[in-house]
Amino acid sequence: EIVLTQSPGTLSLSPGERATLSCRASQSVSGKYLSWYQQKPGQAPRLLIFGASSRAADIPDRFSGSGSGTDFTLTISRLEPEDFAVYYCQQYGSSRWTFGQGTKVEIK
Amino acid sequence: VQLVQSGAEVKKPGASVKLSCKASGYTFTSYYMHWVRQAPGQGLEWMAIINPSGGRTSYAQKLQGRVTVTRDTSTRTVYMELSSLRSEDTAVYYCARDIAVTEGEGGFDSWGQGTLVTVSS
Repeated sequence: EIVLTQSPGTLSLSPGERATLSCRASQSVSGKYLSWYQQKPGQAPRLLIFGASSRAADIPDRFSGSGSGTDFTLTISRLEPEDFAVYYCQQYGSSRWTFGQGTKVEIK
Repeated sequence: VQLVQSGAEVKKPGASVKLSCKASGYTFTSYYMHWVRQAPGQGLEWMAIINPSGGRTSYAQKLQGRVTVTRDTSTRTVYMELSSLRSEDTAVYYCARDIAVTEGEGGFDSWGQGTLVTVSS
Protein backbone atom coordinates (compact mmCIF):
# COMPACT_ATOMS: atom_id res chain seq x y z
CA GLU A 1 0.00 0.00 0.00
CA ILE A 2 1.32 3.43 -0.91
CA VAL A 3 1.70 5.73 2.08
CA LEU A 4 1.36 9.48 1.65
CA THR A 5 3.26 11.72 4.05
CA GLN A 6 2.30 15.38 4.21
CA SER A 7 4.47 18.17 5.51
CA PRO A 8 4.51 20.29 7.44
CA GLY A 9 1.93 19.14 9.94
CA THR A 10 0.95 22.73 10.64
CA LEU A 11 1.69 25.85 8.62
CA SER A 12 1.29 29.22 10.37
CA LEU A 13 0.88 32.04 7.89
CA SER A 14 -0.80 35.43 7.52
CA PRO A 15 -3.47 36.34 4.98
CA GLY A 16 -1.85 37.37 1.71
CA GLU A 17 1.11 35.04 2.15
CA ARG A 18 1.97 32.10 -0.06
CA ALA A 19 1.39 28.57 1.24
CA THR A 20 3.33 25.58 -0.03
CA LEU A 21 2.13 22.15 1.10
CA SER A 22 4.03 18.95 0.38
CA CYS A 23 2.80 15.40 -0.20
CA ARG A 24 5.39 12.65 -0.53
CA ALA A 25 4.51 9.10 -1.61
CA SER A 26 6.31 5.97 -0.42
CA GLN A 27 6.56 4.84 -4.06
CA SER A 28 5.97 6.46 -7.42
CA VAL A 29 2.42 7.58 -8.15
CA SER A 30 1.04 8.55 -11.53
CA GLY A 31 0.05 12.20 -11.46
CA LYS A 32 -3.28 11.13 -12.96
CA TYR A 33 -4.10 9.59 -9.61
CA LEU A 34 -3.21 12.43 -7.20
CA SER A 35 -5.84 14.75 -5.71
CA TRP A 36 -6.01 17.47 -3.04
CA TYR A 37 -8.86 18.35 -0.68
CA GLN A 38 -9.68 21.15 1.73
CA GLN A 39 -11.64 20.52 4.91
CA LYS A 40 -13.00 23.07 7.35
CA PRO A 41 -14.23 22.17 10.84
CA GLY A 42 -17.62 20.47 10.83
CA GLN A 43 -17.72 20.26 7.04
CA ALA A 44 -17.19 17.56 4.47
CA PRO A 45 -13.99 17.74 2.42
CA ARG A 46 -13.97 19.76 -0.78
CA LEU A 47 -12.14 18.67 -3.91
CA LEU A 48 -9.54 21.24 -5.00
CA ILE A 49 -7.20 19.51 -7.44
CA PHE A 50 -7.30 16.22 -9.36
CA GLY A 51 -4.82 14.70 -11.75
CA ALA A 52 -2.08 16.47 -9.75
CA SER A 53 -2.70 19.85 -11.40
CA SER A 54 -6.28 20.19 -12.68
CA ARG A 55 -8.49 22.49 -10.66
CA ALA A 56 -11.93 21.19 -9.80
CA ALA A 57 -15.03 23.16 -10.72
CA ASP A 58 -15.34 26.60 -9.07
CA ILE A 59 -11.92 26.43 -7.42
CA PRO A 60 -10.14 29.81 -7.50
CA ASP A 61 -6.94 30.03 -9.53
CA ARG A 62 -4.90 30.93 -6.43
CA PHE A 63 -4.90 27.14 -5.82
CA SER A 64 -2.47 25.18 -7.96
CA GLY A 65 -1.04 21.68 -7.89
CA SER A 66 2.19 20.30 -9.28
CA GLY A 67 4.58 17.40 -9.01
CA SER A 68 5.30 13.93 -10.25
CA GLY A 69 6.68 10.60 -9.13
CA THR A 70 6.84 10.70 -5.36
CA ASP A 71 6.70 14.46 -4.70
CA PHE A 72 3.62 16.60 -5.11
CA THR A 73 2.84 20.16 -4.03
CA LEU A 74 -0.25 22.22 -3.41
CA THR A 75 0.37 25.97 -3.60
CA ILE A 76 -1.99 28.71 -2.47
CA SER A 77 -0.57 31.85 -4.03
CA ARG A 78 -2.13 34.40 -1.69
CA LEU A 79 -4.01 33.17 1.36
CA GLU A 80 -7.53 34.46 1.81
CA PRO A 81 -9.23 34.29 5.24
CA GLU A 82 -11.41 31.40 4.03
CA ASP A 83 -8.35 29.30 3.08
CA PHE A 84 -7.37 28.52 6.67
CA ALA A 85 -8.29 24.86 6.92
CA VAL A 86 -6.85 21.35 6.79
CA TYR A 87 -5.60 20.04 3.45
CA TYR A 88 -5.31 16.39 2.43
CA CYS A 89 -3.63 14.73 -0.51
CA GLN A 90 -5.02 11.47 -1.87
CA GLN A 91 -3.77 8.82 -4.28
CA TYR A 92 -5.19 5.83 -6.13
CA GLY A 93 -3.53 2.49 -6.73
CA SER A 94 -4.75 -1.08 -7.38
CA SER A 95 -8.43 -0.22 -6.91
CA ARG A 96 -7.76 1.38 -3.55
CA TRP A 97 -7.33 4.96 -2.39
CA THR A 98 -5.30 6.42 0.47
CA PHE A 99 -5.13 9.86 2.08
CA GLY A 100 -2.24 11.68 3.63
CA GLN A 101 -2.53 12.64 7.29
CA GLY A 102 -3.24 16.28 6.50
CA THR A 103 -1.63 19.71 6.82
CA LYS A 104 -3.34 22.36 8.91
CA VAL A 105 -2.97 25.90 7.60
CA GLU A 106 -3.56 28.26 10.53
CA ILE A 107 -3.58 32.00 10.95
CA LYS A 108 -0.33 33.34 12.33
CA VAL B 1 -25.81 17.08 -7.30
CA GLN B 2 -26.94 16.12 -3.83
CA LEU B 3 -26.00 13.21 -1.59
CA VAL B 4 -28.21 12.82 1.48
CA GLN B 5 -27.11 10.39 4.16
CA SER B 6 -29.08 8.66 6.88
CA GLY B 7 -29.05 9.86 10.46
CA ALA B 8 -26.72 9.32 13.38
CA GLU B 9 -26.42 5.88 14.93
CA VAL B 10 -25.37 4.58 18.35
CA LYS B 11 -24.33 0.94 18.45
CA LYS B 12 -22.88 -1.49 20.95
CA PRO B 13 -19.58 -3.28 20.32
CA GLY B 14 -20.10 -6.35 18.16
CA ALA B 15 -23.21 -4.98 16.46
CA SER B 16 -23.60 -3.98 12.82
CA VAL B 17 -24.63 -0.70 11.26
CA LYS B 18 -26.06 0.00 7.81
CA LEU B 19 -25.88 3.54 6.45
CA SER B 20 -27.55 4.93 3.36
CA CYS B 21 -26.66 7.62 0.84
CA LYS B 22 -29.36 8.82 -1.56
CA ALA B 23 -28.18 10.53 -4.71
CA SER B 24 -30.00 13.08 -6.83
CA GLY B 25 -29.27 15.61 -9.55
CA TYR B 26 -27.23 13.41 -11.87
CA THR B 27 -27.24 10.05 -13.63
CA PHE B 28 -26.76 7.66 -10.73
CA THR B 29 -25.18 4.84 -12.72
CA SER B 30 -22.60 7.05 -14.42
CA TYR B 31 -20.41 7.79 -11.39
CA TYR B 32 -18.56 5.62 -8.90
CA MET B 33 -19.43 6.15 -5.25
CA HIS B 34 -17.07 5.89 -2.28
CA TRP B 35 -17.33 5.67 1.48
CA VAL B 36 -14.80 7.58 3.56
CA ARG B 37 -14.69 7.88 7.34
CA GLN B 38 -13.12 10.25 9.83
CA ALA B 39 -12.60 9.40 13.49
CA PRO B 40 -12.91 12.30 15.95
CA GLY B 41 -10.01 14.70 15.49
CA GLN B 42 -8.36 12.42 12.95
CA GLY B 43 -7.76 12.34 9.20
CA LEU B 44 -9.68 10.82 6.34
CA GLU B 45 -9.76 7.07 5.76
CA TRP B 46 -10.96 5.56 2.49
CA MET B 47 -13.19 2.54 3.03
CA ALA B 48 -14.83 1.33 -0.15
CA ILE B 49 -15.98 2.00 -3.69
CA ILE B 50 -18.94 0.77 -5.69
CA ASN B 51 -19.70 1.08 -9.37
CA PRO B 52 -23.47 1.73 -9.31
CA SER B 53 -23.77 0.53 -12.87
CA GLY B 54 -22.66 -3.06 -12.37
CA GLY B 55 -22.35 -3.22 -8.59
CA ARG B 56 -18.62 -4.03 -8.58
CA THR B 57 -16.95 -3.17 -5.30
CA SER B 58 -13.51 -2.79 -3.80
CA TYR B 59 -12.70 -2.47 -0.11
CA ALA B 60 -9.83 -1.21 2.02
CA GLN B 61 -7.70 -4.12 3.08
CA LYS B 62 -8.05 -3.41 6.81
CA LEU B 63 -11.85 -3.54 6.54
CA GLN B 64 -12.10 -6.54 4.24
CA GLY B 65 -14.60 -9.01 5.64
CA ARG B 66 -16.37 -6.43 7.82
CA VAL B 67 -17.64 -3.94 5.23
CA THR B 68 -20.19 -4.47 2.48
CA VAL B 69 -21.37 -1.82 0.03
CA THR B 70 -24.47 -2.31 -2.10
CA ARG B 71 -26.70 -0.16 -4.25
CA ASP B 72 -30.33 0.07 -5.29
CA THR B 73 -30.59 1.69 -8.69
CA SER B 74 -34.36 2.02 -8.43
CA THR B 75 -34.04 4.37 -5.45
CA ARG B 76 -30.61 5.81 -6.42
CA THR B 77 -29.27 4.79 -3.03
CA VAL B 78 -25.95 3.34 -1.94
CA TYR B 79 -25.63 1.43 1.33
CA MET B 80 -22.63 0.67 3.54
CA GLU B 81 -22.84 -2.01 6.18
CA LEU B 82 -20.07 -2.41 8.78
CA SER B 83 -20.16 -5.40 11.08
CA SER B 84 -18.43 -6.47 14.30
CA LEU B 85 -18.27 -2.86 15.42
CA ARG B 86 -15.50 -1.75 17.80
CA SER B 87 -14.92 1.51 19.62
CA GLU B 88 -12.34 2.40 16.97
CA ASP B 89 -15.14 2.49 14.39
CA THR B 90 -16.60 5.59 16.05
CA ALA B 91 -16.40 8.16 13.28
CA VAL B 92 -18.23 10.36 10.84
CA TYR B 93 -18.95 8.34 7.70
CA TYR B 94 -19.22 10.09 4.34
CA CYS B 95 -20.36 8.96 0.94
CA ALA B 96 -18.66 10.75 -1.95
CA ARG B 97 -19.13 10.78 -5.70
CA ASP B 98 -16.13 10.19 -7.95
CA ILE B 99 -15.83 12.26 -11.11
CA ALA B 100 -13.50 9.77 -12.80
CA VAL B 101 -14.43 8.35 -16.17
CA THR B 102 -11.55 5.90 -15.80
CA GLU B 103 -11.12 4.48 -12.28
CA GLY B 104 -8.63 6.53 -10.29
CA GLU B 105 -8.36 9.42 -12.74
CA GLY B 106 -10.53 11.85 -10.89
CA GLY B 107 -11.44 12.99 -7.44
CA PHE B 108 -14.37 13.00 -5.07
CA ASP B 109 -16.32 16.06 -6.12
CA SER B 110 -19.55 15.79 -4.13
CA TRP B 111 -19.92 14.59 -0.56
CA GLY B 112 -22.79 13.69 1.70
CA GLN B 113 -23.31 15.59 4.91
CA GLY B 114 -21.79 12.79 6.97
CA THR B 115 -23.28 10.35 9.45
CA LEU B 116 -21.89 10.04 12.97
CA VAL B 117 -21.65 6.46 14.17
CA THR B 118 -20.86 6.04 17.86
CA VAL B 119 -19.83 2.62 19.15
CA SER B 120 -20.10 2.41 22.90
CA SER B 121 -21.13 -0.09 25.51
